[in-house]
Amino acid sequence: DTAVSQTPKYLVTQMGNDKSIKCEQNLGHDTMYWYKQDSKKFLKIMFSYNNKELIINETVPNRFSPKSPDKAHLNLHINSLELGDSAVYFCASSLHRESGEKLFFGSGTQLSVL
Amino acid sequence: AQTVTQSQPEMSVQEAETVTLSCTYDTSENNYYLFWYKQPPSRQMILVIRQEAYKQQNATENRFSVNFQKAAKSFSLKISDSQLGDTAMYFCAFPLIQGAQKLVFGQGTRLTINP
Repeated sequence: DTAVSQTPKYLVTQMGNDKSIKCEQNLGHDTMYWYKQDSKKFLKIMFSYNNKELIINETVPNRFSPKSPDKAHLNLHINSLELGDSAVYFCASSLHRESGEKLFFGSGTQLSVL
Repeated sequence: AQTVTQSQPEMSVQEAETVTLSCTYDTSENNYYLFWYKQPPSRQMILVIRQEAYKQQNATENRFSVNFQKAAKSFSLKISDSQLGDTAMYFCAFPLIQGAQKLVFGQGTRLTINP
């Protein structure tokens, strides 16, 4: 069983479209994250939820909106997609929110905006 | 600002050799954690090793060990008896805020193990 699963793995879409990426973890963790990895492999945190509460909200365009219906799920919706949104988006989870916790990552969603 | 720097964009060694990946960081905190994550071609990020700054002893996980020099703010990863499966991007990471898992990652080192 995959611990952190995200769908889809690949997403190719046109500029201006709206798309969603879904993430689920079956580890019983309290905290979930979205990270973005650009074409140079640089990883940057976008959002974090702890028990459905938003605790980290980095400076990202407000076209990006996370939603956590329960602590096992964290989805990412992106409106009006732009070329610069092309990247790999990783979902991750940790048992708790503390800074020493190990992160468990999903296998990523490669988003290509044409 | 708290930053993490990996100065080696790429490294390449022969199988069974030992290789050391370097990482330096900057912080004003006294107690914190440091991490090395691995990203193989499959893309999934996997934790390799974790170090707690208040511990004098360097962390070890099988063939992976760290050389943690707190005063120098250096956190290098040593891979002994390297294997083909160690081929991956390696990222050093550091929590930007204590009490919250807000990791900042280094630029990564692409490690290739040659047969």
